Amino acid sequence: NAGVTQTPKFQVLKTGQSMTLQCAQDMNHEYMSWYRQDPGMGLRLIHYSVGAGITDQGEVPNGYNVSRSTTEDFPLRLLSAAPSQTSVYFCASSYSARGNNSPLHFGNGTRLTVT
Amino acid sequence: AQTVTQSQPEMSVQEAETVTLSCTYDTSESNYYLFWYKQPPSRQMILVIRQEAYKQQNATENRFSVNFQKAAKSFSLKISDSQLGDTAMYFCAFNAGKSTFGDGTTLTVKP
Repeated sequence: NAGVTQTPKFQVLKTGQSMTLQCAQDMNHEYMSWYRQDPGMGLRLIHYSVGAGITDQGEVPNGYNVSRSTTEDFPLRLLSAAPSQTSVYFCASSYSARGNNSPLHFGNGTRLTVT
Repeated sequence: AQTVTQSQPEMSVQEAETVTLSCTYDTSESNYYLFWYKQPPSRQMILVIRQEAYKQQNATENRFSVNFQKAAKSFSLKISDSQLGDTAMYFCAFNAGKSTFGDGTTLTVKP
C-alpha cells in the first residue's frame, strides 16, 4: 500500500519556468489537497478537490493550477515560477471532506527552490 | 473563514515529564473535527490524535490526550511521559470540509 506518492522530492527552478508536481494516492480517497509550508507559517492550503472533476481554491491559490481528471491523481502546476514560491509542498488526501473524521494522509513533500 | 492559533512557537520538556501544547480556533461551523499532527525532522506528517466536535468526551491515544473545550474553542494536547522520539513540530488542525492548520509548536524533549 503506497499511500500518497508525491514527486519529485527536490526541484530547483529558474524564475519564469513552469513545472508540475505530481501527486497520486491508491486509497480511493475522495478528497485531495495541496499545501505549502513556509518557515514559521504552518501549512497553507493552495487548492483542493472533493472528487474527480471538482476543484476549488484554498487560501493561497495564485500562481498555481490544478486538475482532477481521475480519483487517484491531483497534479499541481506552477505556471511561471517566482522566488516567492520557494517552499515545501505537501499533497494530502482523506476519505471524505465532510461528515467523516478521516484524517489527512500526507505525501513526503517536495522542496522547491526558485532562483 | 476558520483560523487556528497556536500561541507557543517553541516548547521544551524533560524526558518522562508532561507537557501541554495549546491550540485555539475560531469558526462559525457547528460540525467539525479537530486533529493534532506531528512532523518530526524527517518532514513526514503523522496523525497524533483526533476529536469530533459533537463528542464531549476528550480523545485519548496512549500517552497523548486532548482537553477539548468547545465553548472556549480550545483544543490542547497533553503528552505524558515524554520521550525523545516526541521531539517534533506539532500542528493543530481544524476540518469542516477542508483543513486549516495552525503555525505549529516546536517541541524539544531533553534527556
